[in-house]
Amino acid sequence: DQQVKQNSPSLSVQEGRISILNCDYTNSMFDYFLWYKKYPAEGPTFLISISSIKDKNEDGRFTVFLNKSAKHLSLHIVPSQPGDSAVYFCAATGGSEKLVFGKGTKLTVNP
Amino acid sequence: DAGVIQSPRHEVTEMGQEVTLRCKPISGHDYLFWYRQTMMRGLELLIYFNNNVPIDDSGMPEDRFSAKMPNASFSTLKIQPSEPRDSAVYFCASSLRGFTDTQYFGPGTRLTVL
Repeated sequence: DQQVKQNSPSLSVQEGRISILNCDYTNSMFDYFLWYKKYPAEGPTFLISISSIKDKNEDGRFTVFLNKSAKHLSLHIVPSQPGDSAVYFCAATGGSEKLVFGKGTKLTVNP
Repeated sequence: DAGVIQSPRHEVTEMGQEVTLRCKPISGHDYLFWYRQTMMRGLELLIYFNNNVPIDDSGMPEDRFSAKMPNASFSTLKIQPSEPRDSAVYFCASSLRGFTDTQYFGPGTRLTVL
């Protein structure tokens, strides 16, 4: 049973527009969430995180929103750039739970 | 620091052979993680160490898999005997603290078992 779900395997947007990547989780113990970005033939790299005591965290062009009641988080990238094209993983942890990753969403930003 | 180093980057072997994957974490990091990435299951945590001690190996799929960390700068993941369904990309990652701390991933080892 997947505890962290990224229901969109892929997403395509135009350069300069907003990219919104979604993630849902089922485990109520999760209280810390992270997004990782992965380029081909490389390991994932940390992008941004959010604690459950917040509902928003911003870092430059990247903003993560957390809706605890809906067990949903989203990553917004504004404006999107071709270099943002990568696979984005949502991950969650909390309590005694290990870090659990979603299957990823492949973002393509078209020039 | 050079980051997390993994070797080999690619491994092709035949079913039944022993496979050893290697990892050098970032110096000073107390935690080391081994992950496996497949299309079907995504990125799964296999095992993690804290200060060289295995803490949780519940993600290791079978007894054919074993991992060691003899010192703070080296870890191995061994598969013996290997099977075609073990084909995947295996990542090693390290962090200063636990799961809420940033994990730094190596480039991965792409394993193909024929």
